[in-house]
Amino acid sequence: QSALTQPRSASGSPGQSVTISCTGTSSDVGGYNYVSWFQHHPGKVPKLMIFDVSNRPSGVPDRFSGSKSGNTASLTISGLQAEDEADYYCCSYADNSYVFGTGTKVTVL
Amino acid sequence: QVQLQESGPGLVNPSGTLSLTCAVSGDSISSNWWSWVRQPPGEGLEWIGQLHHSGSTNSNPSLKSRVTISVDRSKNQFSLMLTSVTAADTAVYYCVRNWYFAFDIWGQGTMVTVSS
Repeated sequence: QSALTQPRSASGSPGQSVTISCTGTSSDVGGYNYVSWFQHHPGKVPKLMIFDVSNRPSGVPDRFSGSKSGNTASLTISGLQAEDEADYYCCSYADNSYVFGTGTKVTVL
Repeated sequence: QVQLQESGPGLVNPSGTLSLTCAVSGDSISSNWWSWVRQPPGEGLEWIGQLHHSGSTNSNPSLKSRVTISVDRSKNQFSLMLTSVTAADTAVYYCVRNWYFAFDIWGQGTMVTVSS
């Protein structure tokens, strides 16, 4: 079970959009519509931002959206804000287990 | 308001056993699946395993032989044991609540260092 592949970093100016990819295999991302995304500010607790590929929990701004195509899932942050600067991790269900992505550091320029 | 709180030793000897407990408040241990997740210093998140109140468990294949997750329904808590630890097991350990096929409630995390 290998970690899902994410770019190390992504960046954008305030108001712009940034998209983070999360690539797995047909055994995880491609095999289930159970991809989630977490925002993690250093020193704080990870926060669930997206579940089941594209659903937002209550309280998560609609600037955050998720999608999936084949073995790759994506998280898009629209209208980037300073507080969006954080590490982002994808996670996929995979046959009675879960696998996280390698993580992406999002920087707001 | 659902809260999870990890507890256990912050220092474990190499080759020893790491033992942590997660106390659940605001929700019944019998209502969900529950998981353990860890993050080594400077690295990403890693799912360790999950538990159902019935006692059914699943573990990360890379850790499976060393992981035991158990439940104490009378105390509304669940526990993690990781045997034969090495420095690579040094990490912040989180207990989390499974929600749909994600994790919605996280404990504050507890740092465990493996060192003599």
